[in-house]
Amino acid sequence: DVKVTQSSRYLVKRTGEKVFLECVQDMDHENMFWYRQDPGLGLRLIYFSYDVKMKEKGDIPEGYSVSREKKERFSLILESASTNQTSMYLCASRIGQGPRETQYFGPGTRLLVL
Amino acid sequence: AQSVTQLGSHVSVSEGALVLLRCNYSSSVPPYLFWYVQYPNQGLQLLLKYTTGATLVKGINGFEAEFKKSETSFHLTKPSAHMSDAAEYFCAVSGLSGGSYIPTFGRGTSLIVHP
Repeated sequence: DVKVTQSSRYLVKRTGEKVFLECVQDMDHENMFWYRQDPGLGLRLIYFSYDVKMKEKGDIPEGYSVSREKKERFSLILESASTNQTSMYLCASRIGQGPRETQYFGPGTRLLVL
Repeated sequence: AQSVTQLGSHVSVSEGALVLLRCNYSSSVPPYLFWYVQYPNQGLQLLLKYTTGATLVKGINGFEAEFKKSETSFHLTKPSAHMSDAAEYFCAVSGLSGGSYIPTFGRGTSLIVHP
């Protein structure tokens, strides 16, 4: 089975802190994604990566950055956390694209910024 | 630009009743369409997907969806709801943008199943 793990299930941070969210997949997938999930808004794409050291902005990249130094690991960075970044963060890896794609999701990290 | 609209943020059914979750999409041709399910405190998992070919797609746990191009719809159904089906359901479309396929998700529909 494909496994996508996220470093924390719950995280509490203070405004202005630098926050790292880690995601690791064990299936050698090239594509990885970071989403945030908010009630009534569904999943919104923050960033995605289609290969090591490659990244593309999604729909809501402001206030976030990412790092992909190794194929299996995709990190989301909140440079200076703000209260409006309180949310559930979901990481996914993907095999294939378009007609052949399937995304595999991690369990999520629920982040509270005080 | 592609988009997905899920009609109804909450759907409530009785156990044993028909489940119908609605999804309409806007996408370039051809659309690649997906339904994912999220159980409480878990990530999403794929229920089913439409790529090409047969317009009635069968998925896991007795769910199926029908692609109707003329109506730009991809509604999810299950003949008989179980309590264990209570979850959040997301419709998604994957379209080509800048050389990569980018997924876009709907806002989700919460399925409530009453005993």
